[in-house]
Amino acid sequence: AQSVTQLDSHVSVSEGTPVLLRCNYSSSYSPSLFWYVQHPNKGLQLLLKYTSAATLVKGINGFEAEFKKSETSFHLTKPSAHMSDAAEYFCVVIEGDSWGKFQFGAGTQVVVTP
Amino acid sequence: NAGVMQNPRHLVRRRGQEARLRCSPMKGHSHVYWYRQLPEEGLKFMVYLQKENIIDESGMPKERFSAEFPKEGPSILRIQQVVRGDSAAYFCASSPPERSNYGYTFGSGTRLTVV
Repeated sequence: AQSVTQLDSHVSVSEGTPVLLRCNYSSSYSPSLFWYVQHPNKGLQLLLKYTSAATLVKGINGFEAEFKKSETSFHLTKPSAHMSDAAEYFCVVIEGDSWGKFQFGAGTQVVVTP
Repeated sequence: NAGVMQNPRHLVRRRGQEARLRCSPMKGHSHVYWYRQLPEEGLKFMVYLQKENIIDESGMPKERFSAEFPKEGPSILRIQQVVRGDSAAYFCASSPPERSNYGYTFGSGTRLTVV
């Protein structure tokens, strides 16, 4: 069985400061991990994905995430927040042999202050 | 190449009416997945379909909900006799026939409001 826990429901950062969104997962098989972003009343946009290649994954808009198997974590970071980063972020896991049955975290709402 | 198209974007239904949500997958994608997002929650898997087949409906409520993906036309998620608790955003994703965790694309969702 697979599950994912996003450790913070809300994160508030100042523009220009680093962003850290924490995600822990559990999976019986080799997982694939994703981060999606959802802006208000919009669909889901893929930020980045880990699929058993390099453990440090670079995504769009300056985001990156590191897969740490020993810690079962896949935290999302960005060195410098921009106002446009205000959105909800979802950590998602899918087991290696599954078809599209994603397990979504509950989401982290990011607020960026000027 | 258009992405996953969902319509309508917003749907308002009175209690007891039927809601029909449509999803057209990306060109070349033959697998469709429906998810529901309740307020303040993450997305929950509902059903996985291939053309003319339901592969996994373990996330579908036992009553009032059904899904189909006909040989021609979009996938339809149908909710009969809607209740207030059905108010949510419903997202569709599609993927190509090749077994892959890489090729999932989500639509923009249909926001259902039951009044």
